[in-house]
Amino acid sequence: AQKVTQAQTEISVVEKEDVTLDCVYETRDTTYYLFWYKQPPSGELVFLIRRNSFDEQNEISGRYSWNFQKSTSSFNFTITASQVVDSAVYFCALSELNRDDKIIFGKGTRLHILP
Amino acid sequence: NAGVMQNPRHLVRRRGQEARLRCSPMKGHSHVYWYRQLPEEGLKFMVYLQKENIIDESGMPKERFSAEFPKEGPSILRIQQVVRGDSAAYFCASSPTSGGHNEQFFGPGTRLTVL
Repeated sequence: AQKVTQAQTEISVVEKEDVTLDCVYETRDTTYYLFWYKQPPSGELVFLIRRNSFDEQNEISGRYSWNFQKSTSSFNFTITASQVVDSAVYFCALSELNRDDKIIFGKGTRLHILP
Repeated sequence: NAGVMQNPRHLVRRRGQEARLRCSPMKGHSHVYWYRQLPEEGLKFMVYLQKENIIDESGMPKERFSAEFPKEGPSILRIQQVVRGDSAAYFCASSPTSGGHNEQFFGPGTRLTVL
C-alpha cells in the first residue's frame, strides 16, 4: 500500500539554524515519484521538488537540500540557515507510475522559524 | 501561460445548500485532479478526470459529491446538501498527460466554509 509518513508534526527553530524535515514512504512499485510542497500561511501549495525513484542523487537548491535514501525509504528535506519566511507547513508526497498519477500526501510538518 | 485557476477562492454555504467549485486547468492540459484538505490534515485525492471522462473516483465520498470535466469549460466539483464536515480547502491540479512523466500543477484552492 502507498503511504507517506511525516513523523514530525511541528518543529520550532530559531532563525539561522538548520532544520531537517523527515519523510518516510511505503510503496510496492519500483517506479515512483517523490515530492515536497510548501504551504505558507496564505494557503496555496508551492511545488519544491520532484524526484523519480531511479535518481538517488542528493539535490541542492540554494538553502534547500534533499536526501533520498532508497534503502531506508526516506526523502528528507533540509533547510540551511533558516529564515522567518520559511515558516510554513511542508508536505512530502508520493506518486506511483501505475496509479493514475494521483499524489499521496503526508500529513505535513508545521515549521516555525522564530526571529 | 496562466496557471491553474480556481474559483471562487472562498465560498460560504449554509448546511443543506449546494457548493460548486470550478477549476480551469492550464492551457493545453487535459487531465484534472481534485484533492481535499481537511483542517490540520494533508491533501487527500478525490477524483481524476480527463475531458468528458471520470478515470478514477476512488477518493470521492459515495454520496452528495460529483465531478465533471466537460469538453468545453472548467472542471466542476459539486457538493450537494453540504454539511459542516465538508468545510475544507479543495485543490485542483492539472497535467498535460498521465503516465507519471508530468508534473501536476496546483491551483490556489477554494476554501469552503459550511455554517
